[in-house]
Parts: sequence; C-alpha cells; structure tokens
Amino acid sequence: EPEVTQTPSHQVTQMGQEVILRCVPISNHLYFYWYRQILGQKVEFLVSFYNNEISEKSEIFDDQFSVERPDGSNFTLKIRSTKLEDSAMYFCASSRDGPYEQYFGPGTRLTVT
Amino acid sequence: SQQGEEDPQALSIQEGENATMNCSYKTSINNLQWYRQNSGRGLVHLILIRSNEREKHSGRLRVTLDTSKKSSSLLITASRAADTASYFCATDPFQGAQKLVFGQGTRLTINP
Repeated sequence: EPEVTQTPSHQVTQMGQEVILRCVPISNHLYFYWYRQILGQKVEFLVSFYNNEISEKSEIFDDQFSVERPDGSNFTLKIRSTKLEDSAMYFCASSRDGPYEQYFGPGTRLTVT
Repeated sequence: SQQGEEDPQALSIQEGENATMNCSYKTSINNLQWYRQNSGRGLVHLILIRSNEREKHSGRLRVTLDTSKKSSSLLITASRAADTASYFCATDPFQGAQKLVFGQGTRLTINP
C-alpha cells in the first residue's frame, strides 16, 4: 500500500540554524500539506500546496518557513532560522482530491536546542 | 473555544466494551474526518463523513454527524487493546479551505 514517507525521523539542531524536512508524498496525489504538533498539543495546520504554489497558509507559517517541490517526488519544508518554539513533530500529508482523506507520514521530530 | 473540540479528553475502558468519543466544531464544514494516532506516531485516517450524511459505518467504527448541533461522535464497538490511541476529529471548513482543523483529541486506553 502506498504511503507518505518523511526524513529524517528525528532532527536535532541549534537555535538559529536552518533545517530542511523532507517528504515523499503518495505518487498520484496532487495536494500536499505540512502540519506540526507540539508535544501534548493538537495538530496544527501550517501550509497547503497545489499546482506548484501555496494555496493556503496559517499565521504560524511566517517568513521563516518555506516549502518547495523541487522535483516530481519530493516536498520539503525549510525553516531558515530555527527557534526553540519550533521544536515539534512535523507531519507531511498528501491527498488526491483536496483536503479530504489526507494521508500522513510518520513525522519528523524536530528538537531545537 | 476552537474548531474541533473532542470530549472526553481521556477515556479508559475495559476490553470488549464500547467507546464513544464526541467532537464539536464551530464553522460550517464540507466533511468531518476521524484520525487515530498511536503514541509518537503519525495520523491514520479512519473515516470521513460528508456534511449531507448523518451516519456512517466502517467495520467496528460508527460515526454520526449532526450539522444542526455542529457535533459528531465516534463509536468503537467491542474494543480491543490495539485500539489504545489518541483519536482526533478534523474538519475542512467550508468555502474551499485547503486544510484540516484538528481538535485536541481523546486519549483512549483499553484495559485488558
């Protein structure tokens, strides 16, 4: 069964450093998303991406964040200068038909020290 | 309060019993979905119910939706130890929003 994959599973970085989180969505999906979950809290939407552009973003997704689909398979989230409060689990998701039945990856745990 | 609030926050029952979790939301929606999250893992899609549906079944899962009350319930029948997880409702708000809005979740523990 096709699945969304994410790398790395765990990333530790120092405050101020840039990180890139990578995702490989399901191959015939057209909509891509990033969410995050701070430990013990609910899952929060960051950004959605369709047709090679951002279709919606939340207030969390400020100028420090960017997304890219550099080729036909990868979907990346870059945080330019990490802050302590960026520590969270980041989930990539993809879907075929918009926000319905999104398939989530296993997540990348980002720890900013 | 926020879109997609579940109650109870935590539920502990004996194996074999039924578990019911509730979700309330604020805005009009296209669909409501339920996801499961095992500790420290990703989210697994369980079931989607459209705004024009009132009830849906999938195996041991039964979901209801009351759009007049802006609420949904998830019933897991004949619970098993493997059902231990957190359960989240997620809505996609009306008017083309390209996102899911998740609730705080219900932590379900099934005791053997």
